[in-house]
Amino acid sequence: DGGITQSPKYLFRKEGQNVTLSCEQNLNHDAMYWYRQDPGQGLRLIYYSQIVNDFQKGDIAEGYSVSREKKESFPLTVTSAQKNPTAFYLCASRKTSGTSGELFFGEGSRLTVL
Amino acid sequence: GESVGLHLPTLSVQEGDNSIINCAYSNSASDYFIWYKQESGKGPQFIIDIRSNMDKRQGQRVTVLLNKTVKHLSLQIAATQPGDSAVYFCAEDNNNDMRFGAGTRLTVKP
Repeated sequence: DGGITQSPKYLFRKEGQNVTLSCEQNLNHDAMYWYRQDPGQGLRLIYYSQIVNDFQKGDIAEGYSVSREKKESFPLTVTSAQKNPTAFYLCASRKTSGTSGELFFGEGSRLTVL
Repeated sequence: GESVGLHLPTLSVQEGDNSIINCAYSNSASDYFIWYKQESGKGPQFIIDIRSNMDKRQGQRVTVLLNKTVKHLSLQIAATQPGDSAVYFCAEDNNNDMRFGAGTRLTVKP
C-alpha cells in the first residue's frame, strides 16, 4: 500500500540528547513537510522540502535540522538546542508537479523529553 | 471561529444537526485551501479542498465556502454524526508553502 510512514510512534529522550525522527513515503511525492503540534494547538511548520537536496525553513526551524538525500525520505533531527522539544511531530508529503493537491500525513511521532 | 492563535475554539452540536466551522486565513495570495479532520493521536485526514477560483464546493455531507473578499473559509457538515467528533483544521497554500489554522474541536452530543 502507498503511504507515509513515521517512526518511532513514541520516543523518550533525556535533556541534552539529539534525536532523529524518521519519515518515509512511497507515493513518489516531490514535496515533504515537518510540522509540530502542541496540545490544543494547530500545526506549525518546521521545515519543508520541494525537491531532493533542497529544503526551506518554516516558522519554527530553530533547534531542528533536516536532510533530503532521497526523494522518499525526510528525517528530522531534534537537537539539544531546541528548548521545548516535547510535542507531537507530523510528517506530510504531496505531489507538486502539475496541479498541487492535498498533503498526506503520517500517523505522527510523540516525543517526550524527560 | 478559527484563527491562528494559542487556544482551541470548540463547537458542540446535537447529533443530526448541521455544523458550521469557520476559519480566517491570512494570506490574500493563497490559491488553494483544504479542510482536514484530526482524531486524537492521529495524523490529519483530508476532507475537502477548494481553489481560489471557486467560492463553493460540495462533497459527501460536507460543503466548503470561500469568501476571498474577507479571507474567510467555512466548512459545513450536514446531519452531524458522533463519528464527526474531532478537531478540524483549515489550511491555506501559497506556492507549496502550506499553513494551518489553530483548529476547532467539534463535539457531537447524542
